[in-house]
Amino acid sequence: DGGITQSPKYLFRKEGQNVTLSCEQNLNHDAMYWYRQDPGQGLRLIYYSQIVNDFQKGDIAEGYSVSREKKESFPLTVTSAQKNPTAFYLCASSIAAGRMNTEAFFGQGTRLTVV
Amino acid sequence: AQKITQTQPGMFVQEKEAVTLDCTYDTSDPSYGLFWYKQPSSGEMIFLIYQGSYDQQNATEGRYSLNFQKARKSANLVISASQLGDSAMYFCAMREIYNFNKFYFGSGTKLNVKP
Repeated sequence: DGGITQSPKYLFRKEGQNVTLSCEQNLNHDAMYWYRQDPGQGLRLIYYSQIVNDFQKGDIAEGYSVSREKKESFPLTVTSAQKNPTAFYLCASSIAAGRMNTEAFFGQGTRLTVV
Repeated sequence: AQKITQTQPGMFVQEKEAVTLDCTYDTSDPSYGLFWYKQPSSGEMIFLIYQGSYDQQNATEGRYSLNFQKARKSANLVISASQLGDSAMYFCAMREIYNFNKFYFGSGTKLNVKP
């Protein structure tokens, strides 16, 4: 079945550590996204990528980094520079061009907690 | 300015009644698409319904319908015959033709269905 897989589902990070969240899709989508969601809040865009080896900052990119070496994969690194990383992180993908009515598909999310 | 505004942080509805979740949007693009997602407590994002800016009729998908008023820039979600399983967060989202690869999300509405 096609879809998006995020791992791990739960992640604990110590202060000052970098951690990497995995996102893999087999939908053959060109565009991929990372969103952050705080409790009771909406989704805020961290980074997005429209094509391999290219990505753009979203609204809250500080303290995060990404790479897009393969079409299927878009890992997110939460660096020690991110002062308040505890949140729910959602990865999504979509077609990059074409029909307007194609929705974004989401993974199950990773819940990151700083301990 | 906010691209998507959802003014109802929380809503209550009695089981089997209909409920309307509000969404207003801001765009000057000639073509755009509007999406509604449901997020249960598990965190997954479930696509519900889509409305295109040039669609003449309001979209419907089972118990979900979209009350699209283009001149007022509103795209309200109507859920008929509410069920207990409808209790969740609901997000309105938009993509624009000139910025095709960005999805803008609202802050969400928490719906509670009472038995």
